[in-house]
Order: sequence, then structure tokens, then C-alpha cells
Amino acid sequence: AQSVTQLDSQVPVFEEAPVELRCNYSSSVSVYLFWYVQYPNQGLQLLLKYLSGSTLVKGINGFEAEFNKSQTSFHLRKPSVHISDTAEYFCAVTAGGGSYIPTFGRGTSLIVHP
Amino acid sequence: DARVTQTPRHKVTEMGQEVTMRCQPILGHNTVFWYRQTMMQGLELLAYFRNRAPLDDSGMPKDRFSAEMPDATLATLKIQPSEPRDSAVYFCASGLVRGQFQETQYFGPGTRLLVL
Repeated sequence: AQSVTQLDSQVPVFEEAPVELRCNYSSSVSVYLFWYVQYPNQGLQLLLKYLSGSTLVKGINGFEAEFNKSQTSFHLRKPSVHISDTAEYFCAVTAGGGSYIPTFGRGTSLIVHP
Repeated sequence: DARVTQTPRHKVTEMGQEVTMRCQPILGHNTVFWYRQTMMQGLELLAYFRNRAPLDDSGMPKDRFSAEMPDATLATLKIQPSEPRDSAVYFCASGLVRGQFQETQYFGPGTRLLVL
């Protein structure tokens, strides 16, 4: 079985500052990794995903994430955040071998202050 | 731009009443998920369908909840009887299984349920 840990429940930052949201996973088999974003009163939407290939993945709205297999991490980064990035961010993992149900982290609330 | 749709978007009901939530997955997707989201518990998986067959409902209180997919264009989640502790936002998501992996999930806008 796989698991996902988002180490920070809340991350406050000032506008135009860089941000990193941390995600660690555990799995004994190969994985697909996802970051989803949830804006207030909306459903989750895909920010970016890692399936294979380059370990640096670029997503929408200037976000990127790096897959680190040795550290079993998939941290999300943005060099300069905007007020509009204020949202809940979820890391998710799907493991191979027939386990088709994704496991989500508890979420990280990114709060961008002016 | 294909989207998952959910109805109703909001529902206020009294304890003991039946609640039915509907979801139209994206055409061509072969998996459907029902989730419940609350502040206390976060995002919880209630039910999972693949090719319309229910494969996992271990997260669902079976005495009052039921989930079905009568056809490929409709998934339903019913609560009977409803209780105040069922108040939450219920999300439906659809996606594709390719090979050994579940790919991206596409979430609907949710049904916000309040049970008085």
C-alpha cells in the first residue's frame, strides 16, 4: 500500500516570494505522482503530474515539481507567488501493480499575503 | 472542454430525508470516484467504479449510503436516511486507467450538503 505525507498543513508567504510545498510518499512499486489545486468553493484540478521521464515537471500557473526517487519526494515549487495562488494544494500518488485507487495527502493551505 | 458535472450544487435537507446526488463523468473515462470532504477529515474516498462495476466502497457507511452507476453517463450517491454528520461537500471524479495506473482524475464542482 502507498501513503502520502504533506509535511505542512499551512504555508503563509508574501506576494512575489518563492514557495515550496513538501510531499513525501511511500510505495514499494513504481508510482505516478500528482499535484492538484483546489480554489475556494471549487473541485480539485490538476496542477502537474509525473508519469515517467524527466524528473522536473512543469505545470500550470508557473508551478513545477521535482521527482526524487531516492528521497521519495515530489515537492512543489514556484519562484514568485501571486495573491491568486491562495488555495489548497493536494499531493497524490498512484502505485503500479494494479492498485488503481490514488492516495491523497491531507493538503497544504497556501496563503499569500500582499 | 469536457467536464464532470454534478447535481445539485447545493442541498439543504432535514435529518431523516433521502438525498440523491448525481454525477455525469467525462465521456470515455472508465473510472469514477466519489469523495467526501470535510474540515475535520479532509478528503475521504467513499466509492470507486471501474467500467461501471463497483470495486471499492470500504469507505462508505453501508447502512445508509449507496452508490450506483446505472449507465456510463450517470453515477449516483444516495444517503437514506440522512444525518447531520453527513453535512459535507461531495465530489465526483472520473478518469482513465491505462495499463497498471490510474491517470489524472477530473473532479466535478461538488455538491454541498447541509443536513439540519
